[in-house]
Amino acid sequence: QVQLVESGGDLVKPGGSLRLSCAASGFTFSDYYMSWIRQAPGTGLEWVSFIRNDGDDIYYADSVKGRFTISRDNAKNSLYLQMDSLRGDDTAVYYCARGHGQLEAWGQGTLVTVSS
Amino acid sequence: EIVLTQSPGTLSLSPGERATLSCRASQSLSNTYLAWYQQKPGQAPRLLIYHTSTRATGIPDRFSGSGSGTDFTLTISRLEPEDFAVYYCQQYDSSPRTFGLGTRVDIK
Repeated sequence: QVQLVESGGDLVKPGGSLRLSCAASGFTFSDYYMSWIRQAPGTGLEWVSFIRNDGDDIYYADSVKGRFTISRDNAKNSLYLQMDSLRGDDTAVYYCARGHGQLEAWGQGTLVTVSS
Repeated sequence: EIVLTQSPGTLSLSPGERATLSCRASQSLSNTYLAWYQQKPGQAPRLLIYHTSTRATGIPDRFSGSGSGTDFTLTISRLEPEDFAVYYCQQYDSSPRTFGLGTRVDIK
């Protein structure tokens, strides 16, 4: 079965950095676009970024452009999100998901808290 | 950016009743690329419907989607106890992909 497992969430100070990972299994990872979606506490969903299966098509939300970098390693079935210059409004649960249109499968999420 | 407005914000219904959730887009979705998700507390969202009306794998047929242009609807024909949750619509007709703010379906 399709499984996505995020890791790397933590408490970090404003201006700090963090790298999230998502380990995929149960499907041919290299065949799919992958996305990061976030959900701030008690609020709705925001699409953060997506990356094409070959890594050549990448999208970022304006709110993270220039600060976050999405990448993938198809040999390791893994998706990453490097987050720099973190701000308080980046505090959220970060989900990785399969797809870039409808999101067919989601991980359980990893919590990123940005606070001094 | 396409803004999705969901209504009502909260729907209070009893098990066995019909639920009708609305999602209105700020501009027409030319490809009807609209999806619906269900989210329960402490869980990730789950895809219910995509391409406006196609049920995702394993989704029971009491869930149905319809609509075109700017107006879309998710209908739950008869609410089961496990259906009480928050529902989000999402468009992928253009970037940035956007979500509505959600409709909470709670037990009356």
